[in-house]
Amino acid sequence: NAGVTQTPKFRVLKTGQSMTLLCAQDMNHEYMYWYRQDPGMGLRLIHYSVGEGTTAKGEVPDGYNVSRLKKQNFLLGLESAAPSQTSVYFCASSFRTGRLREAFFGQGTRLTVV
Amino acid sequence: AQSVTQLDSQVPVFEEAPVELRCNYSSSVSVYLFWYVQYPNQGLQLLLKYLSGSTLVESINGFEAEFNKSQTSFHLRKPSVHISDTAEYFCVVDVGGSYIPTFGRGTSLIVHP
Repeated sequence: NAGVTQTPKFRVLKTGQSMTLLCAQDMNHEYMYWYRQDPGMGLRLIHYSVGEGTTAKGEVPDGYNVSRLKKQNFLLGLESAAPSQTSVYFCASSFRTGRLREAFFGQGTRLTVV
Repeated sequence: AQSVTQLDSQVPVFEEAPVELRCNYSSSVSVYLFWYVQYPNQGLQLLLKYLSGSTLVESINGFEAEFNKSQTSFHLRKPSVHISDTAEYFCVVDVGGSYIPTFGRGTSLIVHP
């Protein structure tokens, strides 16, 4: 019972490098989210998706891009990493109807940009 | 737009003492309310939720929260905490019709022996 799986779990990047974080869920959820967590800031929404082929901007989208080509996968891309993007990234997914509207989270990706 | 305020960034308590973590929200429409817990170096997991019906909701590990519509609050309580309850706790509000749950900034519960 995998739930929400994020890869990689840790990564160190040099400023200007690019990378893609992968989120995969096996619960047939329609909605998927990418958050970043920084000390004292809680979780801030980067981008989200309400279904396959759709994406939308969240609270802090600058410097990130996303794609959802398959319902079970939600990719987060950093085209040119900056030290300000050092953070812990969490992916989440959920149904959005009735009593099923709770989010399931991955274990996080700790990214350091040097 | 909705917002969530967790009034305490850190709550230190001794083991077996009661604790209350405060959460207030603002929204002009009906809301769904959640508490999530994050243990050190882990992801978030659902602790309890209010969707409708009884205003008092309970978790399997002894926490409870009460939805108070007039005070727009959803405080989390436990009558006797354990060392293992040390974690970050997030209050979340979700507005019907919105795609985006809104997180509070979190409260760090630190349980001392």
